[in-house]
Amino acid sequence: GAGVSQSPRYKVAKRGQDVALRCDPISGHVSLFWYQQALGQGPEFLTYFQNEAQLDKSGLPSDRFFAERPEGSVSTLKIQRTQQEDSAVYLCASSLGPGAKTGELFFGEGSRLTVL
Amino acid sequence: QKEVEQNSGPLSVPEGAIASLNCTYSDRGSQSFFWYRQYSGKSPELIMSIYSNGDKEDGRFTAQLNKASQYVSLLIRDSQPSDSATYLCAVERVYNNNDMRFGAGTRLTVKP
Repeated sequence: GAGVSQSPRYKVAKRGQDVALRCDPISGHVSLFWYQQALGQGPEFLTYFQNEAQLDKSGLPSDRFFAERPEGSVSTLKIQRTQQEDSAVYLCASSLGPGAKTGELFFGEGSRLTVL
Repeated sequence: QKEVEQNSGPLSVPEGAIASLNCTYSDRGSQSFFWYRQYSGKSPELIMSIYSNGDKEDGRFTAQLNKASQYVSLLIRDSQPSDSATYLCAVERVYNNNDMRFGAGTRLTVKP
């Protein structure tokens, strides 16, 4: 597709439920980022991939959060045993990658997770 | 200390005035700097990038970078109500695998 696609756009989960959020980046983009954005806050870094390699996962809040990008394109962010504090918008962004002329990130529309 | 710091605001300016937004960063190895605009309920979109010390102008927007002071700013001239949004400063950390970190954002309101 022309842009970064995220699904689902909205997810309501009961506390304790597992959720999976999908990101389909722009074709050919090497770098892929996941951010968590709480209401009124800036995007908080979660994790970062170059192709299939997860280079940095230091922002994942706990071991309940897991991300993968097995073939270097589509990525999935999984949250196990969701808690109310996980409620946020999860933003995925992609870019051409290191060495490109621009480091511009292209964002998806986000997945809004509400944990009841 | 957060990697990227911004005044959270809110910042309110009258229509036609200059809005000044500021950002500091902690990683001296950072090489690339970006300003994103985020309208309420929408995703961030890039408005300016700057890579070397000095000023960079694009229409009503001017980005300023001072690497020695680890400081980036964005000036918006002739502010319009449509400029009302949250402005996010982002820093690409070249020596951390080129990851991208954002500030908390400054909410700008331009009053007609």
